[in-house]
Amino acid sequence: GESVGLHLPTLSVQEGDNSIINCAYSNSASDYFIWYKQESGKGPQFIIDIRSNMDKRQGQRVTVLLNKTVKHLSLQIAATQPGDSAVYFCAEIGGSYIPTFGRGTSLIVHP
Amino acid sequence: NAGVMQNPRHLVRRRGQEARLRCSPMKGHSHVYWYRQLPEEGLKFMVYLQKENIIDESGMPKERFSAEFPKEGPSILRIQQVVRGDSAAYFCASSLKVQGGNEQFFGPGTRLTVL
Repeated sequence: GESVGLHLPTLSVQEGDNSIINCAYSNSASDYFIWYKQESGKGPQFIIDIRSNMDKRQGQRVTVLLNKTVKHLSLQIAATQPGDSAVYFCAEIGGSYIPTFGRGTSLIVHP
Repeated sequence: NAGVMQNPRHLVRRRGQEARLRCSPMKGHSHVYWYRQLPEEGLKFMVYLQKENIIDESGMPKERFSAEFPKEGPSILRIQQVVRGDSAAYFCASSLKVQGGNEQFFGPGTRLTVL
């Protein structure tokens, strides 16, 4: 679920469950999207990307879905593991090639 | 192949001092980006550089902040006369190219604390 105030939205799941993290982007001209994972005390790490001419892309245990009509992006993680616990950011990139990052969602995986 | 390296990892400065943050991009990467991250927020773009050139500094404050990426050596983000509001994590990223793909590889960040 989401928390209010200044805290990051948080998603808590049990190990082995599937996780879905959502992101609403702002610029309809954005044509490239990236999901990053950031563990505590580390820099963001690339997970998966998708271009605007696609609506789905799969990686290893992760799937990204893009809905351009409603400017929505989601990251699905299958069989979530404790090592998946981190903050997940979506980033959108348009003609400037400079990514605009969302605020992030904190994923907590309970063993 | 070493990833993006940043140093120092932690930097403590008193108000009014200067902070110098260094970033060595991945081997072969000539595009460098600096971002600032406040607690529980996303990364905010500051500046984009190629070797010896600033391409886009639209996210960098006009005063006290400067960045360079010399022909030899790391990229430097310099903050003069630091204030408490400069306390944040500063991340550097590098990429191989900017057109046709913009996957940026991030360093571990420098956490600046201004006392």
